[in-house]
Amino acid sequence: QKEVEQNSGPLSVPEGAIASLNCTYSDRGSQSFFWYRQYSGKSPELIMFIYSNGDKEDGRFTAQLNKASQYVSLLIRDSQPSDSATYLCAVGGSSNTGKLIFGQGTTLQVKP
Amino acid sequence: DAGVIQSPRHEVTEMGQEVTLRCKPISGHNSLFWYRQTMMRGLELLIYFNNNVPIDDSGMPEDRFSAKMPNASFSTLKIQPSEPRDSAVYFCASSFGTAPGTDTQYFGPGTRLTVL
Repeated sequence: QKEVEQNSGPLSVPEGAIASLNCTYSDRGSQSFFWYRQYSGKSPELIMFIYSNGDKEDGRFTAQLNKASQYVSLLIRDSQPSDSATYLCAVGGSSNTGKLIFGQGTTLQVKP
Repeated sequence: DAGVIQSPRHEVTEMGQEVTLRCKPISGHNSLFWYRQTMMRGLELLIYFNNNVPIDDSGMPEDRFSAKMPNASFSTLKIQPSEPRDSAVYFCASSFGTAPGTDTQYFGPGTRLTVL
């Protein structure tokens, strides 16, 4: 079992729709959860982080965390073609590893 | 702020040659990370430093890889000798704090390495 798992996609949504990206993790002691966006040929850039169970909203983005289910998701409302990228889930803060572990990423395609 | 700076941006070399990648972290950041990204394995942490001291190098694939951080403003990742399977994009990242799994990491533009 991979430590951080994401569906590689591609996930295709029409412009204006809600895109839902999901991530599961294996280390129950994980404390910190990050979503990074990576455009093709570019470096990862932070979208948002979440530490507590529940929802965290930032503009069109909402991160959702459920530690009991070891599940974190990212919702993108009113998806735009410029949102087309690979989204990396990263999990860390565990006393077991102490490091940030990245998932393989989900490729999102927003079609005009 | 200029962000994390990496050089070179692209490197093409022949098998057996020595390769040195360079990184300048964001000023004031206390942690520095070296990652490797490939299609097959995704983004993998190779090594990280806190306050210039190597903390965890368990991700370094083998003895051919070495990393140094002689001061707070500079780090190198060296591969000697290089092999075709080392071809990847190498990212350097830095963060303000010293908790590698908790602090936000900021990535440099990466070095695309091709070993022929």
